[in-house]
Amino acid sequence: NAGVTQTPKFQVLKTGQSMTLQCAQDMNHNSMYWYRQDPGMGLRLIYYSASEGTTDKGEVPNGYNVSRLNKREFSLRLESAAPSQTSVYFCASSDRGLFNSPLHFGNGTRLTVT
Amino acid sequence: RKEVEQDPGPFNVPEGATVAFNCTYSNSASQSFFWYRQDCRKEPKLLMSVYSSGNEDGRFTAQLNRASQYISLLIRDSKLSDSATYLCVVNVHGGSSNTGKLIFGQGTTLQVKP
Repeated sequence: NAGVTQTPKFQVLKTGQSMTLQCAQDMNHNSMYWYRQDPGMGLRLIYYSASEGTTDKGEVPNGYNVSRLNKREFSLRLESAAPSQTSVYFCASSDRGLFNSPLHFGNGTRLTVT
Repeated sequence: RKEVEQDPGPFNVPEGATVAFNCTYSNSASQSFFWYRQDCRKEPKLLMSVYSSGNEDGRFTAQLNRASQYISLLIRDSKLSDSATYLCVVNVHGGSSNTGKLIFGQGTTLQVKP
């Protein structure tokens, strides 16, 4: 049982490049989330998906897009990376309703944009 | 003012000490409260939920004070392995079953020394 799997673990991009962060969970959870974590800021919600086929903006959605491909997978895309998007990105899922804990997090993706 | 505030620390304590962290929240509509633990460069993991009557899990005790809008985490008999960042998380429910948000504090860092 892998839980929540994120890829890649590390990525360096140049300004303007695009990339997709992949996330998959094998716990049959309905709700999935993308957060970013920056020093002194706490985790901030980028996008979330209450269930397969639905996505909604979180607190800091600008510069990102998401796809809930199926119940298992929720990807995050940066169309044109900017240095302000340098951060640690966490995907999470939950099975007790939207925004109910516990959230199960993936290992994180460390992204640097130069 | 941040919606959820924590003293970032670090709290440096010797093994065996008792240490307490507080977390204040600003939204009186907050309904659920949690403590997460995050080890260095790892993902957050749920430590415990915080119930109105207070709750204990081994050496850890969580308490909620709705009147003063804060939650606390007490760790007794600190171990080296308790060294981590402790995140306060508050769930603010929306008006319907599919709305609301989880607000993460920036975390309090604990270093337990031999």
